[in-house]
Amino acid sequence: SQTIHQWPATLVQPVGSPLSLECTVEGTSNPNLYWYRQAAGRGLQLLFYSVGIGQISSEVPQNLSASRPQDRQFILSSKKLLLSDSGFYLCAWSRTNHYGYTFGSGTRLTVV
Amino acid sequence: DQQVKQNSPSLSVQEGRISILNCDYTNSMFDYFLWYKKYPAEGPTFLISISSIKDKNEDGRFTVFLNKSAKHLSLHIVPSQPGDSAVYFCAASDDYKLSFGAGTTVTVRA
Repeated sequence: SQTIHQWPATLVQPVGSPLSLECTVEGTSNPNLYWYRQAAGRGLQLLFYSVGIGQISSEVPQNLSASRPQDRQFILSSKKLLLSDSGFYLCAWSRTNHYGYTFGSGTRLTVV
Repeated sequence: DQQVKQNSPSLSVQEGRISILNCDYTNSMFDYFLWYKKYPAEGPTFLISISSIKDKNEDGRFTVFLNKSAKHLSLHIVPSQPGDSAVYFCAASDDYKLSFGAGTTVTVRA
């Protein structure tokens, strides 16, 4: 069966510090991978998606970047965090040409 | 610009009664719609979906209705149970990318 792992679960970082959130998927190959953010009082906003190694599409211009160094690994990064980067970050995967997304358990990021 | 809107941020319903959650969308290219349920500090989990070629899909206590002409869908939960207390997200697919609404927090009262 397929599983998705996301860590850490919570993170408190000072403004201006770097960020690295990691997501891995097991039990499948060549998944579509996604990073979403849920800000306070708002819905799930798609940040990045990837259909293959090294292929990253950005949906929203911002202070963040994403990379896919391996088939089942998706990383969300920032060189310098802003207060507005606080939120709940979710990684998800889906099969190619399938509608169903499976989400990870999320990372609560607080920038102070 | 938010293409999927859930205009009711919260809903309180008595146990055993019907919960009706609403969702509106603006993109006519959306061809598939889903509802996700989310508990605090967890990722959303898939609940039910409907293709744009249908107007109703039912799964146990959950029924989703789609009105394409009005660009509106709704989720009915009957009967509502305490375990249904959660945030419900409406999502719509365009080329397999999902756009989500802001969510509706459902509280089921005993």
